[in-house]
Amino acid sequence: DGGITQSPKYLFRKEGQNVTLSCEQNLNHDAMYWYRQDPGQGLRLIYYSQIVNDFQKGDIAEGYSVSREKKESFPLTVTSAQKNPTAFYLCASSIDLGEFSRDTQYFGPGTRLTVL
Amino acid sequence: LAKTTQPISMDSYEGQEVNITCSHNNIATNDYITWYQQFPSQGPRFIIQGYKTKVTNEVASLFIPADRKSSTLSLPRVSLSDTAVYYCLVGEPWAGNQFYFGTGTSLTVIP
Repeated sequence: DGGITQSPKYLFRKEGQNVTLSCEQNLNHDAMYWYRQDPGQGLRLIYYSQIVNDFQKGDIAEGYSVSREKKESFPLTVTSAQKNPTAFYLCASSIDLGEFSRDTQYFGPGTRLTVL
Repeated sequence: LAKTTQPISMDSYEGQEVNITCSHNNIATNDYITWYQQFPSQGPRFIIQGYKTKVTNEVASLFIPADRKSSTLSLPRVSLSDTAVYYCLVGEPWAGNQFYFGTGTSLTVIP
């Protein structure tokens, strides 16, 4: 079965602790993304990566870090510098076809992070 | 900035056709328009994508006027299971314009 997996589904952490959210895909997609969603809000882009060992900040990257050492994996670390980390985090992937691309994103099930 | 604007919410009775319009006045020449559906506590799911005129698939149609400053998602004969949030998305993050999902349109289908 091809798809995107995120783990864990629910995560609880104490304030001041760093936490890493996992995202794995076996779709052989080049591009991967991390979004944050707050209650009643849309999705906001945190980071994205078009290719292995390269990633770019999105609209709300402060307090977050990522790595892309493998094509299949794009973990997100929520650091203690993130002022309000409690949210629903979504990972996605897509085929990067370059200019004039039809970028259709496939989303994982999400991780709900609660910082106590 | 390719920011999108949609109605916050809509209600419809079962069996009716629903049209949701998205405004994207600053759409770039290269940008495609993509619509996603999201159920509570799940990741969004792709519905349909287009560049201009009309696109139809097994679940929806997408109408895009010649100036491409707006698009309309059309859901034929909605059922209760179509109750969800629908997002319009324009462009890609590396295209130079702001990549923005927006708050989406919450559709409630009434029996």
